[in-house]
Amino acid sequence: EAGVAQSPRYKIIEKRQSVAFWCNPISGHATLYWYQQILGQGPKLLIQFQNNGVVDDSQLPKDRFSAERLKGVDSTLKIQPAKLEDSAVYLCASSLAPAGAYFGPGTRLTVL
Amino acid sequence: ILNVEQSPQSLHVQEGDSTNFTCSFPSSNFYALHWYRWETAKSPEALFVMTLNGDEKKKGRISATLNTKEGYSYLYIKGSQPEDSATYLCASSTSGTYKYIFGTGTRLKVLA
Repeated sequence: EAGVAQSPRYKIIEKRQSVAFWCNPISGHATLYWYQQILGQGPKLLIQFQNNGVVDDSQLPKDRFSAERLKGVDSTLKIQPAKLEDSAVYLCASSLAPAGAYFGPGTRLTVL
Repeated sequence: ILNVEQSPQSLHVQEGDSTNFTCSFPSSNFYALHWYRWETAKSPEALFVMTLNGDEKKKGRISATLNTKEGYSYLYIKGSQPEDSATYLCASSTSGTYKYIFGTGTRLKVLA
């Protein structure tokens, strides 16, 4: 079974620039998550999709972050404009049931 | 407890030592407790999923226990090896949701 795919793996941008991350979940997994992991902290849920509907986006900074999941499969997370404090690893995960989430390798974003 | 908490934050042990970490989580509406191992530049890897009070799981030299009434789980590593060096994350999921709330992780470094 193929795992969760993410791209790019690394991205360096300057503040105020825009950036987008892509995630392809495990086939058949209806639930998709985006987490932000800042150095020294645990992963923080940004947004959770069930198929192509948003279940929870309470911690998504909506003034600059947006996410979509078209057709209930792939998802993109966008930051526009980026700030220094957005430097983090962005993890995508998917699950079929509440009994386990499978993670992608993450995208390490550095904002200069 | 409203959040998932892990201790210690970081740990250095000598090769061959045994060690353990703690994860505390909200006991209300509990569904499952997840342990992940996250090595640098890799995806978090699922170690255990536990749902029942008193559950004990074992995978090689790593084992975990669960107490849902008091809201804690222990992860044990017997005879630590350098390849055990990683961040160990726990996450709690609640009934009726597919939401995973993560702790801040325990960063383990095993010295050869």
